[in-house]
Amino acid sequence: GNSVTQMEGPVTLSEEAFLTINCTYTATGYPSLFWYVQYPGEGLQLLLKATKADDKGSNKGFEATYRKETTSFHLEKGSVQVSDSAVYFCALSGDSGNTGKLIFGQGTTLQVKP
Amino acid sequence: DSGVTQTPKHLITATGQRVTLRCSPRSGDLSVYWYQQSLDQGLQFLIQYYNGEERAKGNILERFSAQQFPDLHSELNLSSLELGDSALYFCASSVDSANTEAFFGQGTRLTVV
Repeated sequence: GNSVTQMEGPVTLSEEAFLTINCTYTATGYPSLFWYVQYPGEGLQLLLKATKADDKGSNKGFEATYRKETTSFHLEKGSVQVSDSAVYFCALSGDSGNTGKLIFGQGTTLQVKP
Repeated sequence: DSGVTQTPKHLITATGQRVTLRCSPRSGDLSVYWYQQSLDQGLQFLIQYYNGEERAKGNILERFSAQQFPDLHSELNLSSLELGDSALYFCASSVDSANTEAFFGQGTRLTVV
C-alpha cells in the first residue's frame, strides 16, 4: 500500500542554517504530496503542497519539489529561524479509492537554537 | 485558527468507559476525517465521512465508531477504553471527498487511566 518515509529526527540547527528534511514515498497512481507542520500544543497546519510531478510547493520560505523519478518530496529552507521549531510531517493523498485520506510519515522534529 | 473546532480539548477517563469526541468542520466543508496520533503509531487515519455518509475507513478498531450529522458536525465514539487508546485525536475537514487540502482542529487529548 501507499506509504511515506521521513528522515529520523530530531534535527537540531542553529539559526540561519540551511534545512533539509528528506521524504520519500511509495504510491500507486499519482498522489498529491503535502508538508504539514505541528507547533507545540497545536493541530497540524498545511505548510505546502504539490499535486503533480515537477510541481514546486512553497510557503514562508519553505520549498519542496515533487520528484516522481526519485519518489521524493524533500522539504528545504534556506535560513531557519527559532520560530520554525516544530514537528514536520510529510503526507500523501490520492488514494486509489479517490478518498481524501492522508497517509503521514512519522514526523521529524526540528529544533532551531539561537 | 483553522476553522475546525474540536471538543473537549482534554479528556481523562477510566478503562472500560465510553467517551464521545465532537468535531465541527469549517463552514462549507463536506468531508470530515478522524486521525489518531500516538507516540508508537504516529498519525493514523481512522475514518472519513462525506456529506453524512462513510467514505473511507482506516485501521479503526471495532470499539470505535463515528458518524456525521445533517448539520455536518461529526462525533467519534470510543468504547470499552483501554490504556492503549490514550492519544491525541484530530479531526480535519475539506471541501470535497477527494481531499486536496485538509484543515485540522487542535485535537482532543484522551488519557485513559
